[in-house]
Amino acid sequence: QKEVEQNSGPLSVPEGAIASLNCTYSDRGSQSFFWYRQYSGKSPELIMSIYSNGDKEDGRFTAQLNKASQYVSLLIRDSQPSDSATYLCAVRARQLTFGSGTQLTVLP
Amino acid sequence: DGGITQSPKYLFRKEGQNVTLSCEQNLNHDAMYWYRQDPGQGLRLIYYSQIVNDFQKGDIAEGYSVSREKKESFPLTVTSAQKNPTAFYLCASSMRPFDRGTEAFFGQGTRLTVV
Repeated sequence: QKEVEQNSGPLSVPEGAIASLNCTYSDRGSQSFFWYRQYSGKSPELIMSIYSNGDKEDGRFTAQLNKASQYVSLLIRDSQPSDSATYLCAVRARQLTFGSGTQLTVLP
Repeated sequence: DGGITQSPKYLFRKEGQNVTLSCEQNLNHDAMYWYRQDPGQGLRLIYYSQIVNDFQKGDIAEGYSVSREKKESFPLTVTSAQKNPTAFYLCASSMRPFDRGTEAFFGQGTRLTVV
């Protein structure tokens, strides 16, 4: 089992819809959880961090964490074409470990 | 401007050659990291350093070497022992080592190609 797994995608949503990105992790000692956005050919950009169970909202982005289920998700409301990118889930336990990413395409 | 600077942006390596990738940060961060990304894959940790003059191997350290003589600098050498070095290399830094709540930020990356 991979340490951090993301739904494989690619994921396509129409403009204005909600995009839902999921991530599971294997290390129960994980303390910090991050979502990065990576445009093609560019480096990852941090968009959300979450440390406690529940929801954390920042603009159109909501991160959700459920430590009992070892699950973290990212919701993007009112999706825009500019949100089209690969989204990387990262989990910090002993190291900062990344999932393989989910490619999101928002269709105009 | 504070940030993480990687150079060069593109690098070409001949077979059997060692090359060094530069990473400099002026964020006063304690921890620095090197990741490798292959097409369609996530990031894999090569080396990390929590303080000056100390560094630890990550998951794929074979064929790579690092040094951390200054807080601001964490260069990565890709040696001839690395048989498949073509990849996108990313340097990151964070205020503290692997503490809860410490966010990591990335440089712009170096794309290495073997010719």
